[in-house]
Amino acid sequence: IQMTQSPSSLSASVGDKVTITCQASQDIDVYLNWFQQKPGKAPKLLIYDASNLETGVPSRFSGRGSGTDFIFTISSLQPEDIATYYCQQYEDLPRTFGHGTKVEI
Amino acid sequence: EVQLVESGGGLVQPGGSVRLSCSASGFSFSSFAMHWVRQTPGKRLEYISAISRAGDSTFYADSVKGRFTLTRDNSKNTLYLQLSSLRADDTAIYYCVKGLSGSYYASFDYWGQGTLVTVSS
Repeated sequence: IQMTQSPSSLSASVGDKVTITCQASQDIDVYLNWFQQKPGKAPKLLIYDASNLETGVPSRFSGRGSGTDFIFTISSLQPEDIATYYCQQYEDLPRTFGHGTKVEI
Repeated sequence: EVQLVESGGGLVQPGGSVRLSCSASGFSFSSFAMHWVRQTPGKRLEYISAISRAGDSTFYADSVKGRFTLTRDNSKNTLYLQLSSLRADDTAIYYCVKGLSGSYYASFDYWGQGTLVTVSS
């Protein structure tokens, strides 16, 4: 399953709303994760099942979608959100990832 | 607290072999499937292998099938990934990832800090 993520990078101001899209090449129901990776660190799970927030993740992060089209949103960008974000499907093996979206201030 | 600590990476010649280890703590290791994901120098994430909680079932991506072998020792809370017939495009950071259940068909959550494998002469 191919995961097409866009944009590949974006620049926004503190307080802005940021939106990232992810499209699967076939129906994956809601079997989608969103990960955050900060420079030099491992990816961290933010959202699972397309829209469920992992415990401890700030509520400014959200996700929605099902089937083939998904959206990840940061409602009010904070300086600590500077990172690369990846979508990943777990409907089928092998798991596959989007190419990532680098978010900058 | 879940902790996954990878080790064993380094510089390896093309055609060579290396064994990566992942030491787990903070959870019941024998109850969960485990996975390996690698990140290329271009930052792409590639899922490469998984093993069931008992170690009796494994999965390999086509890109590593026949060259990599994944095993686990539940008595030592340790995961092992044997990499053989290495090529330049195997150069990556290799991450150990904890599954959400005993089956690798479930998703995963926690990642280790990764270990870098560089394949070069």
